[in-house]
Amino acid sequence: QQQVRQSSQSLTVWEGETAILNCSYENSAFDYFPWYQQFPGEGPALLIAIRSVSDKKEDGRFTIFFNKREKNLSLHIKDSQPGDSATYFCAGNMGYKLTFGTGTSLLVDP
Amino acid sequence: EAAVTQSPRNKVAVTGGKVTLSCNQTNNHNNMYWYRQDTGHGLRLIHYSYGAGSTEKGDIPDGYKASRPSQENFSLILELATPSQTSVYFCASGEGQGNTEVFFGKGTRLTVV
Repeated sequence: QQQVRQSSQSLTVWEGETAILNCSYENSAFDYFPWYQQFPGEGPALLIAIRSVSDKKEDGRFTIFFNKREKNLSLHIKDSQPGDSATYFCAGNMGYKLTFGTGTSLLVDP
Repeated sequence: EAAVTQSPRNKVAVTGGKVTLSCNQTNNHNNMYWYRQDTGHGLRLIHYSYGAGSTEKGDIPDGYKASRPSQENFSLILELATPSQTSVYFCASGEGQGNTEVFFGKGTRLTVV
């Protein structure tokens, strides 16, 4: 049972476009939703996160839109750069446990 | 900067053998985690710990044991390795509950033949 789902396994955008990565979840008890970014050969690293009391979180070119009623969220990457090419994991938190989605591999073509 | 160090980085083990993956963190974090990463499954939690001497089962603990002898060290033990345990394993540490940043190591690639 996949409690956190990422609808696209891979996504390709052109440099300068906005990349949109989608995520949905099942567990209503999740109260914190981080997105982690992973480059090949590295461990995941926190990119941006949102708490369930908010509907939007922005940090530079990265924005999370959160819909609690629909149990989904999306990560928008504005003005995508080739250096943004990586795998992005959505996650949901409850207590001490983070539950990750399967990841979306983003490729930004120059 | 937060530092989580895993050893070894690569390991080939034989079926039925014992494997120990080690993790050390210099963040003085109470919580430590072991995940495995597989294509199509993302990151799945195997075991975690709230502090020295404690271990808790994650979502996929079968076939794995964990040991937290000190604040800094957290080991993952495969008593009888099987080919299905071929994967990339990540250790992580964090402070407080899961709603704060978790810091990952660079991973250990384990192949069981």
